[in-house]
Amino acid sequence: GNSVTQMEGPVTLSEEAFLTINCTYTATGYPSLFWYVQYPGEGLQLLLKATKADDKGSNKGFEATYRKETTSFHLEKGSVQVSDSAVYFCALSPRRGGSQGNLIFGKGTKLSVKP
Amino acid sequence: KAGVTQTPRYLIKTRGQQVTLSCSPISGHRSVSWYQQTPGQGLQFLFEYFSETQRNKGNFPGRFSGRQFSNSRSEMNVSTLELGDSALYLCASSLEQGQETQYFGPGTRLLVL
Repeated sequence: GNSVTQMEGPVTLSEEAFLTINCTYTATGYPSLFWYVQYPGEGLQLLLKATKADDKGSNKGFEATYRKETTSFHLEKGSVQVSDSAVYFCALSPRRGGSQGNLIFGKGTKLSVKP
Repeated sequence: KAGVTQTPRYLIKTRGQQVTLSCSPISGHRSVSWYQQTPGQGLQFLFEYFSETQRNKGNFPGRFSGRQFSNSRSEMNVSTLELGDSALYLCASSLEQGQETQYFGPGTRLLVL
């Protein structure tokens, strides 16, 4: 079946540190991959996405590359800020452009950035 | 363009009651999906609606139901509430059925006492 595994948190970093949040997936076919972010008390915001192998998604200094050979989609940022403190979710959509409209999420990784 | 809106934002109910949550998608979006978020189970897919028809369903009991109106607005209903139904219920919209990029609302936080 389809599943997403994220590194467990919480992750605590100092401001300007480098961030990596690991995400691996299991899927049949050719899924699309996403990172969503959830700030305290809010819903999910789409951070970035990639729809095929070797695609790199990027937004607000965050990047992730779709690696089919390692079934991974790790999130990285070169220099985190206090405002990046949130919970990050890796997700997959089972069929790119297909009829299944559901996203499958990882458990989430809580990031805390200290000044 | 206004985002996905959900009402109410917070709700307190008692066991055995029923509840209806509402979701208005982004203007022009025709597909609406619902998710339940709990600390233990994380984010789980409930169902997806498109053109007023349920197109996809997650693994939830029949107490959870939904519908979509001709203007794409959607409601979900939970009957005979249980303590374990306490959760954040998130609605997401996308342009078309099965389109992978979904945009989420702020959620409705339901507490069952």
